[in-house]
This record gives sequence, C-alpha cells and structure tokens, in this order.
Amino acid sequence: AQTVTQSQPEMSVQEAETVTLSCTYDTSESDYYLFWYKQPPSRQMILVIRQEAYKQQNATENRFSVNFQKAAKSFSLKISDSQLGDAAMYFCAHPGGSQGNLIFGKGTKLSVKP
Amino acid sequence: EAGVTQSPTHLIKTRGQQVTLRCSPISGHTSVYWYQQALGLGLQFLLWYDEGEERNRGNFPPRFSGRQFPNYSSELNVNALELEDSALYLCASSRHTGLVTGELFFGEGSRLTVL
Repeated sequence: AQTVTQSQPEMSVQEAETVTLSCTYDTSESDYYLFWYKQPPSRQMILVIRQEAYKQQNATENRFSVNFQKAAKSFSLKISDSQLGDAAMYFCAHPGGSQGNLIFGKGTKLSVKP
Repeated sequence: EAGVTQSPTHLIKTRGQQVTLRCSPISGHTSVYWYQQALGLGLQFLLWYDEGEERNRGNFPPRFSGRQFPNYSSELNVNALELEDSALYLCASSRHTGLVTGELFFGEGSRLTVL
C-alpha cells in the first residue's frame, strides 16, 4: 500500500533558526515525485518543494531544502533561517502510483517563536 | 489569473441533510480533486475528475459523490450527513491528468459543520 508517514505532529523553532520536518513513505514505484505542501492558517495549501526520485541531488528552494534518502524512503524538509511566516501545517505527499492522486501524510504543525 | 475557487466557504447542516459543494479550477486545468481534511486526520482523498469523467475515488461511502461539468468545474455532493462528515473540504486542480509530476493548486476550502 502507498503510505506517507509524518511522525512529528507538532514542532517548534526559534526565529532565524533551522528546523527539520520528517517524512517517510512507501511505494512500489521505481520513478516518482515527492512533495512538501504548506497550509498557513488561512487554509490555502501551496507547494513548497518537489523532488524527483531519479535525481540524486536534493532539491532546494531558497530557504527550503530536502534530504532525500531513496533507499530509506525518507524525505525530510529543512527550513533555514526560519521566519514568522513559516508557521503553518506542513504536509508531505506522494503520488499514489497509477491512481492519479496525491497521498498526504497527517501533517506537522510548525510554530515559529519570535 | 484566478486561482481555484470554492463555495460556500462555511456552512452548517444537521444530520441527515444533504450538501453540495462547488469548485472552479484554474483556467486550463482539466483535473479536479476533492479531499476531506478532518481534524487530526490529514488530507483524505475523496474523488478525482478529469475531462468530465470520474477517474478514481477514495475509501468513502457512496453517499459521497460528485460530477465535473463541461467547463471543468465540479460539485461534491454528500447525502445523509453524519456528524463525522464535519471537516474542511478542499478542492484542487491540475493541468495534467494522472498526476505524477504535476503540482496541485488548492482552493481555500469549504468548512462543513454537521450538528
């Protein structure tokens, strides 16, 4: 079964510090994409970063980067220089194979302390 | 460019009633996805429509149904509402069918409360 697991329901980080959110997944696919989405308190989900499984290089988007360990099926998100606006729910997601839909983890609520 | 729009934003219903939620995708997007976000459960996949056809559905009872119109907008219908249907219902659209590489664009959701 295709699953996505986020083991940290809540995390907290001091402003300007670095935080890492964990995600593991299970898939039988050999080539796939992985996603991190952010849901601020206003509720609209937005894509933060995307990783292609066949690329060994970890994806980066400004202060956001991933640590992708394909053999371990691990896909963590690192947020550097945390800002107050980073406070949100973060969801890891994986396409459900040929099903055509994204499978999401239960999310991690990130708080940023000033 | 307008984003994904959903209506209504909030609604309150009682057990046994029926509800219809609406979604307009981004122009040019043919795929529409519905997700249920209940407290503590993350996003649960409900339905996927593309080109007017239902392509896949999640593990939900038949009282959850929907359709996609020729202009690619979509409706989600929930019959015989139960208390546990209280949730945020999110609609998302995508340019590509069979999402593998594409990004989902989400609306702000419809908050349903069942009393």
